[in-house]
Formats: sequence, C-alpha cells, structure tokens
Amino acid sequence: ETGVTQSPTHLIKTRGQQVTLRCSSQSGHNTVSWYQQALGQGPQFIFQYYREEENGRGNFPPRFSGLQFPNYSSELNVNALELDDSALYLCASSLEQIVDTQYFGPGTRLTVL
Amino acid sequence: SQKIEQNSEALNIQEGKTATLTCNYTNYSPAYLQWYRQDPGRGPVFLLLIRENEKEKRKERLKVTFDTTLKQSLFHITASQPADSATYLCALPGYSSASKIIFGSGTRLSIRP
Repeated sequence: ETGVTQSPTHLIKTRGQQVTLRCSSQSGHNTVSWYQQALGQGPQFIFQYYREEENGRGNFPPRFSGLQFPNYSSELNVNALELDDSALYLCASSLEQIVDTQYFGPGTRLTVL
Repeated sequence: SQKIEQNSEALNIQEGKTATLTCNYTNYSPAYLQWYRQDPGRGPVFLLLIRENEKEKRKERLKVTFDTTLKQSLFHITASQPADSATYLCALPGYSSASKIIFGSGTRLSIRP
C-alpha cells in the first residue's frame, strides 16, 4: 500500500451536478497531482498542487478545480458534470513537485448518467 | 506534440516465458522514462525508472532498456507468472508545466498457466 487514500471509492452523479473528490497524501509529501483515466486509456494529468498553490495544469476546462490544505490533503471539484467526465480519478503524492517518484491512490470511480 | 505509443493489443504469454512490452515516443527527448503496473480498478504502481544516460536497468525479474536513438523503451518480465497479469503503463515527464507527466495507454498482459 502507498499510504495515499481517496474517497469515495465509487460515485454516481447525473449530468449538470457537481462533485468533490478527496485525497489524503502519503505522510510528509507536500505535492499532489490529479489525473483522469478513461476506460482503456492511460491517466491524463489534470493539475498539480504544491504547498497549497496550483503548480501546473493540463488541458482541462476551468470547471475542474482543486484545493490543497495545510495538511497537504487535497480536493478535486468538478462542476457542471458531463457524460464524458465518467472516469477513474487518481491522485498521486510526491515530494517537492517531483513526479519521477510519485505514489498513486486507489482512485475514485465516477459515473455520470 | 509529445506522443507515447504502447501496443494497445493485449499480450498473452505462457507462464515461464519472457514477456516483452514496447513503448515508443516521438517529438521529445525525455530525461527519464518510467514503467508502472496497474491492476483493474486500482491506481498505478511505480515499478522502474530509467534515465537517459542508462541503457538498461534491472529489478528482480524486471528489465527495462532505453534507446534514445530509436526513441523506444522495452520492458521485460522474465520467468513470467500468472500474478504478473496486469496492464503496464509507460510514462515520460512532460516538457512544460501543462504536462507534468504523460502516460501511454498501456498494454494488457495476460500470463496463462
């Protein structure tokens, strides 16, 4: 186990709703990256938070937003859900913005109906 | 733009044989390349990282090669076991803050007894 936890495990929402996903980093890690993984695809980078500030963002619209808290836990918020947002959402924690050594959580499976 | 290609077709190997997976990339000269294992519904687990100045890296039954001229990495599992069945992802660091890390779509490996 990596020590990275995510909640909830599964979630079902309807189109247009909003969702908040949570991630607890491995102890001592100050960097969290969020990824979206569609079925049969590799994870796609959404954004990274380092010391509570956004530190890089992938090609995702503004309705994807995040937060990192002083204890380095993190949230991913998605507004105005669309059917294509159905995916496995992964967070990964690491030290000092480095992604060559990052530890993934088990993911949250989001289904949008 | 950066592109990573992995064989999208599943690889079926007899137990005990060596499995070889391929990762090709274009339009890029990465400082390193990573391999991850992912089981269904779970987050990726980091396996190996190989840097651009390393030709080969080993870890137990795993071996990774990195040919920067061919822009290719090969991932070998020797003496394969059914427990090695999973999807294997390769990943490269992005060249901007908008793409911290880029994953391939993965190759599903099945080891039959």
